[in-house]
Amino acid sequence: DAGVIQSPRHEVTEMGQEVTLRCKPISGHDYLFWYRQTMMRGLELLIYFNNNVPIDDSGMPEDRFSAKMPNASFSTLKIQPSEPRDSAVYFCASSLGDTPNTEAFFGQGTRLTVV
Amino acid sequence: AQSVAQPEDQVNVAEGNPLTVKCTYSVSGNPYLFWYVQYPNRGLQFLLKYITGDNLVKGSYGFEAEFNKSQTSFHLKKPSALVSDSALYFCAVRDLYSSASKIIFGSGTRLSIRP
Repeated sequence: DAGVIQSPRHEVTEMGQEVTLRCKPISGHDYLFWYRQTMMRGLELLIYFNNNVPIDDSGMPEDRFSAKMPNASFSTLKIQPSEPRDSAVYFCASSLGDTPNTEAFFGQGTRLTVV
Repeated sequence: AQSVAQPEDQVNVAEGNPLTVKCTYSVSGNPYLFWYVQYPNRGLQFLLKYITGDNLVKGSYGFEAEFNKSQTSFHLKKPSALVSDSALYFCAVRDLYSSASKIIFGSGTRLSIRP
């Protein structure tokens, strides 16, 4: 398996534009997590899914952020409209099962810059 | 609520010396603890985990971690540091009882190994 795949690796967009980040989890994994990493806030959990269903979105900063998982092999994180303070590295991760001893596997991240 | 704390933003060690990166945790049930490493411009990579049993856990790249229930700590250690160990290290906890399958990360500790 190629691991968790995120695209694009880098995204530069203007304030007010819509941004869509994409993630393909490891095949067979039933949990998918979206994290945001900034210098100020560190690594924040935004939302996570189990079997394509959103379980906890309490970390989503505001209504401009939305996430979907239409099937087991694809998820998107959308920001509309984007703002400069959304600039960060966004990570997707996946894990297998509902046992707490399973580790998460991370993608390489998408570095988002909003100008 | 579950949480992890990494009290040191940065740890500096000379190559060949032992290293310790500190982590303390707070959970309502049994702790399931993890260490991850992040190299520049990369996603997080799993190093090791504590589930139950032996308090000394061995992981990748010669790292180990010691679980101490009375001190609620899970410090990362290595007997002899390498320059290539320089990276950002994250401690994480997963507590099935407070919020199923949610993984929470500490703020990270930057480890710098000087030649």
